[in-house]
Amino acid sequence: NAGVTQTPKFQVLKTGQSMTLQCAQDMNHEYMSWYRQDPGMGLRLIHYSVGAGITDQGEVPNGYNVSRSTTEDFPLRLLSAAPSQTSVYFCASSYADRTRGYTFGSGTRLTVV
Amino acid sequence: SQKIEQNSEALNIQEGKTATLTCNYTNYSPAYLQWYRQDPGRGPVFLLLIRENEKEKRKERLKVTFDTTLKQSLFHITASQPADSATYLCALPENNNAGNMLTFGGGTRLMVKP
Repeated sequence: NAGVTQTPKFQVLKTGQSMTLQCAQDMNHEYMSWYRQDPGMGLRLIHYSVGAGITDQGEVPNGYNVSRSTTEDFPLRLLSAAPSQTSVYFCASSYADRTRGYTFGSGTRLTVV
Repeated sequence: SQKIEQNSEALNIQEGKTATLTCNYTNYSPAYLQWYRQDPGRGPVFLLLIRENEKEKRKERLKVTFDTTLKQSLFHITASQPADSATYLCALPENNNAGNMLTFGGGTRLMVKP
């Protein structure tokens, strides 16, 4: 059982480039979400999805897009990378009953130069 | 929106002692509160959940309390071990609705010295 798989683990982008962070889960979880983690800021919610075809914005959505065409996959797209998007990105999934806890991926460390 | 406060300073304790970490929130009392452990370079791992009508929850050497009057949860690790060294995060639903997404605190780093 792989859980939540994120790729790539590390990425360096130049300002203005675009890229997609991949996230896949094999637990048939309904909910999926993307967080970024910065020193002193904790985990901040970027976008989330409560099911295939449904997405919504979190606390810090600007500069990012998401889609949820299948239950398993929830990619995060950076449209035009900026140095302020340098961060560690975590994908998380859960059952609709959030009291069962979130399962996180191992993260993607992104540096924008 | 909810604001969660965890001590940003690292907590250093001696092996065998009890570690106590604090999570304070500022607005409404949530339906539940969760605790996660995060190791360097890894994603958080779910540990425990405590509901608003529960005063205390235990799991092996872990104990969590929830005081809705103080708007505070305490996370205890008894007989701490160096392997318990990690950052511990608390999280609760964004709005006073168990169906909403989780908001996380900044975490407290625990260092257990042998």
